[in-house]
Amino acid sequence: LAKTTQPISMDSYEGQEVNITCSHNNIATNDYITWYQQFPSQGPRFIIQGYKTKVTNEVASLFIPADRKSSTLSLPRVSLSDTAVYYCLVGDLNTGGFKTIFGAGTRLFVKA
Amino acid sequence: DGGITQSPKYLFRKEGQNVTLSCEQNLNHDAMYWYRQDPGQGLRLIYYSQIVNDFQKGDIAEGYSVSREKKESFPLTVTSAQKNPTAFYLCASSAGGGIGEQYFGPGTRLTVT
Repeated sequence: LAKTTQPISMDSYEGQEVNITCSHNNIATNDYITWYQQFPSQGPRFIIQGYKTKVTNEVASLFIPADRKSSTLSLPRVSLSDTAVYYCLVGDLNTGGFKTIFGAGTRLFVKA
Repeated sequence: DGGITQSPKYLFRKEGQNVTLSCEQNLNHDAMYWYRQDPGQGLRLIYYSQIVNDFQKGDIAEGYSVSREKKESFPLTVTSAQKNPTAFYLCASSAGGGIGEQYFGPGTRLTVT
């Protein structure tokens, strides 16, 4: 299972774009990259998932370079309510869901 | 309205007592999971089930037990053998068996004194 490394914490201000990078040097050919968001005392919530290049939805964008050894979650114009922990996960879409590893994640603090 | 429910939200027990945490989903998902989260930490997998009447141990199964008699339900029992049971417990489900989107319940915060 591909291990991921992401910063422990980040600070930002309201209205700024935030980019959180995740390293996954031993990602496998069939692996996808998935990001979750977790607020205190709540379960994580799926944000975005991708395999290569760029994926965008109403919440965020996910940038994946050609070698797929890292990925960047981009949150446009953050607000105070985006203060949360963000988890980067890597794994096969069809098998091994039980191997999904939620590490410590990145704690994002958005200030006014 | 589809989703996962966990009850209760807060649970207090005395040391030495077994306690069962409820998890129900109406998403028609085959796979269900139980995670434990300690303060400032990530999630650790306790048990998972990919189909009814089948479940496997995760990374920290000691002191816990589960059952999967119905597709919708995956209760977790925290036994007296669990040495440090105070934690935040999260149940999740997913349609497939891979890293596809997992839907999480609101969690149960268990305090054992």
